[in-house]
Amino acid sequence: SYVLTQPPSVSVAPGQTARITCGGNKIGSKSVHWYQQKPGQAPVLVVYDDRDRPSGIPERFSGSNSGNTATLTISRVEAGDEADYYCQVWDSSSDHYVFGTGTKVTVL
Amino acid sequence: QVQLVESGGGVVQPGRSLRLSCAASGFTFSSYPMHWVRQAPGKGLEWVGKISYDGSSEYYADSVKGRFTISRDNSKNTMSVQMNSLRTEDTAVYYCARNPNAYSWFDPWGRGTLVTVSS
Repeated sequence: SYVLTQPPSVSVAPGQTARITCGGNKIGSKSVHWYQQKPGQAPVLVVYDDRDRPSGIPERFSGSNSGNTATLTISRVEAGDEADYYCQVWDSSSDHYVFGTGTKVTVL
Repeated sequence: QVQLVESGGGVVQPGRSLRLSCAASGFTFSSYPMHWVRQAPGKGLEWVGKISYDGSSEYYADSVKGRFTISRDNSKNTMSVQMNSLRTEDTAVYYCARNPNAYSWFDPWGRGTLVTVSS
C-alpha cells in the first residue's frame, strides 16, 4: 500500500516560515491535499491539488509537489497556525485514500 | 451553508454492532461521493470507506472490509455506516466528509462522533 511520511514535528518562531514535507514514492505524479487540525476540532482543507487554496484560507499557506516530496509552506507564521497538519492523496493502484502520518507545528 | 453532522457514537462491547449516521445540508447531497474517516485517540487520520454519489459503489479500507457497510439515502440527505464485529482498535472519532470531485480531497468535514469499543 502507498505510504506518506511526514516529520512528527516542526517548530517555528512567529513571523518565520514553516515547511512541512510529505514523502511518497513518485508523489509528484499525484495530486496532494493538505489539512489543518486544531485540538478537538475536525480537519480543515488548506491546500488542494498541490497548490490551490480554498476560499477563506490565507495566502500565507502554499504548496508544491515534485519528485518524491510534496511541501506545505506557511509564511509569516502566527500563533493561530499551531496545529497538526496532514497530507493526503488518492492511490489509484489500490483505489484507496491515504493520509500522511501528520506533523505537529509548534509556534515558539 | 454546507454542513455535515454525525450521530450515533457511544460505548459498545467488542464483537457488538453500532450504526453511525451523517446528515448533510446546504448542498445537493445526491451529486457527491461521501466518505468516512476515523481518528483513534492521539493518532492520525485513517480513511475508512467511500460510497459513490448514487450509492451504487462502495470502497473500504482493508482494516474494516467485511465488517463495515456504508449506505446512503439521497431522499433524506443521509449517509450511514453499519459497523459489525467491532474491535477495540475501532475506537476512534468518526468523521463524515464530502468528496467535491472523484478521487480528490475532502471538504467539508463533520465535527465527528466518538465510538469507544470496550468491555
